[in-house]
Amino acid sequence: SQELEQSPQSLIVQEGKNLTINCTSSKTLYGLYWYKQKYGEGLIFLMMLQKGGEEKSHEKITAKLDEKKQQSSLHITASQPSHAGIYLCGASGNTPLVFGKGTRLSVIA
Amino acid sequence: SQTIHQWPATLVQPVGSPLSLECTVEGTSNPNLYWYRQAAGRGLQLLFYSVGIGQISSEVPQNLSASRPQDRQFILSSKKLLLSDSGFYLCAWAGQGNQPQHFGDGTRLSIL
Repeated sequence: SQELEQSPQSLIVQEGKNLTINCTSSKTLYGLYWYKQKYGEGLIFLMMLQKGGEEKSHEKITAKLDEKKQQSSLHITASQPSHAGIYLCGASGNTPLVFGKGTRLSVIA
Repeated sequence: SQTIHQWPATLVQPVGSPLSLECTVEGTSNPNLYWYRQAAGRGLQLLFYSVGIGQISSEVPQNLSASRPQDRQFILSSKKLLLSDSGFYLCAWAGQGNQPQHFGDGTRLSIL
């Protein structure tokens, strides 16, 4: 079965700094989804990537899928307190979504 | 636009009591529906998914069950709760194909 590994597990950054979260799959990714979750709340869909080399941006968040379609990265530019939360990647294939365990991001002033 | 409603938001139940969590979707038809559990410090665990009325697939054997009595209604049940059933339960829906899942606000279940 497909497994997704996220790194780092947790991250503390100073406000204004850039950061990157990685998601590595054990199998080829046919669809890669990024979500954000605030503690005690549901997941908010951020972006979906499907093609090798694809890159999408939303405000200060950019997600990329590598050419081999086995790794994705989420990059936040000039982090703000509103970016704090848990970021999860999810992959689709022949079965419903498989999720990584998440990266907990804290942004400090 | 589509919306998903999940209730209750929080629930405290004694061990051995029954459970019923409900999830409804509005603004779409024939959605794929999902129940997940998120335990503290662990990732999302898919419990059940449904591609249509009366069609339920179970991903993890346990004392929970799911039903889909109507197109946009998904129910998670248990006859007798265990301590290990504590956690954060999330319902989600998705369109057909490689569409992203959209999540409800979750139910925090505490078993005493």
